[in-house]
Amino acid sequence: GAVVSQHPSRVICKSGTSVKIECRSLDFQATTMFWYRQFPKQSLMLMATSNEGSKATYEQGVEKDKFLINHASLTLSTLTVTSAHPEDSSFYICSASRGTFNQPQHFGDGTRLSIL
Amino acid sequence: AQTVTQSQPEMSVQEAETVTLSCTYDTSESDYYLFWYKQPPSRQMILVIRQEAYKQQNATENRFSVNFQKAAKSFSLKISDSQLGDAAMYFCAYRSLSGSARQLTFGSGTQLTVLP
Repeated sequence: GAVVSQHPSRVICKSGTSVKIECRSLDFQATTMFWYRQFPKQSLMLMATSNEGSKATYEQGVEKDKFLINHASLTLSTLTVTSAHPEDSSFYICSASRGTFNQPQHFGDGTRLSIL
Repeated sequence: AQTVTQSQPEMSVQEAETVTLSCTYDTSESDYYLFWYKQPPSRQMILVIRQEAYKQQNATENRFSVNFQKAAKSFSLKISDSQLGDAAMYFCAYRSLSGSARQLTFGSGTQLTVLP
């Protein structure tokens, strides 16, 4: 069964709305989670690394104030898209690994965000 | 920084036949992990197979096997006895072992079509 749960799976909202996406590790603790963005027919692009108890590490070109990441516990990371606009419409996916380097990353099922 | 290149945007294979998907990467590191992920239309990321760079033996998972050529920095995926359910986007990914980073660097993907 799924080891990483992502919610919601689909969001449609008006421009200017803030949207929160949750990523939970179901049966393990994840000190680090990752947030990716995927445009149609393109690859996954890493947005940021979410670190439990500390600030997230953002990739170059990703607006920290636009994409707020909170990793408040060892099993939950949230991505908030603030004041979303149509250009923020995309597929967002989180992932987490159990701990050591030899453990593969498990992905959530993704969130399709559509901003009208 | 590491880069991953998939030079085949699209591939097709007849059901029950064999197909090979190409992947090359660029790195200055000697130890790392390589992965193949499958993304069906549901957009869920599914781990197909992984290879540790320090292992010379090619990884195999049932009908899926890799040809890992470390010197050439090549990591191709062979799918034998292709099935309709194998149709998906396939991503090659690299993970460094340096520092604490465990994020994946993805290639651009290969869309595989399986013909009945």
